[in-house]
Amino acid sequence: GDSVTQMEGPVTLSEEACLTINCTYTATGYPSLFWYVQYPGEGLQLLLKATKADDKGSNKGFEATYRKETTSFHLEKGSVQVSDSAVYFCALSDPRGSTLGRLYFGRGTQLTVWP
Amino acid sequence: DSGVTQTPKHLITATGQRVTLRCSPRSGDLSVYWYQQSLDQGLQFLIQYYNGEERAKGNILERFSAQQFPDLHSELNLSSLELGDSALYFCASSEGLNTEAFFGQGTRLTVV
Repeated sequence: GDSVTQMEGPVTLSEEACLTINCTYTATGYPSLFWYVQYPGEGLQLLLKATKADDKGSNKGFEATYRKETTSFHLEKGSVQVSDSAVYFCALSDPRGSTLGRLYFGRGTQLTVWP
Repeated sequence: DSGVTQTPKHLITATGQRVTLRCSPRSGDLSVYWYQQSLDQGLQFLIQYYNGEERAKGNILERFSAQQFPDLHSELNLSSLELGDSALYFCASSEGLNTEAFFGQGTRLTVV
């Protein structure tokens, strides 16, 4: 079945360091891929998305490229800020599956950025 | 603010009790999803409704049920509560079946 695997956290970085959070997926169809962010005490917010192979999603300095050949969608940022501290979730939605539009989430990666 | 409203924000109840969680989707959104977030299971899809009809079911226990009303708001009913049901319950809504989902801030349920 469809599933998402993302790197375990927590990840602790100094401000202005580079960030990569790995995410790989398994899907029978042609999924759309997402990164969601959850700030402390809040709900999930969509950070970026990509709907087909080789698409690059980007937002707030974060980027992720849909790699069909490696079934990956790694999240990257060149210079993190303290305000980026949150939990990041990789997710997929397979519109061809029986559960149209449902999201499959990874376990989440806690990022803490120190000044 | 995503536009998805969940009430209550916090709920503390005893084992064996029944509770109802409420979700108002964004204006115009026809699809509503319920998710459970717990430390051991992560984010798990429970159930999806589209325009009043059940569309998909995930890892939802038989003790749990949901419905979507004609005004499109949705309720998740949890009964015979157990300690392990303590979790954050999220509602999300989307315009259609395969469009971007927007999440509410969640209801934190604590079963004591």
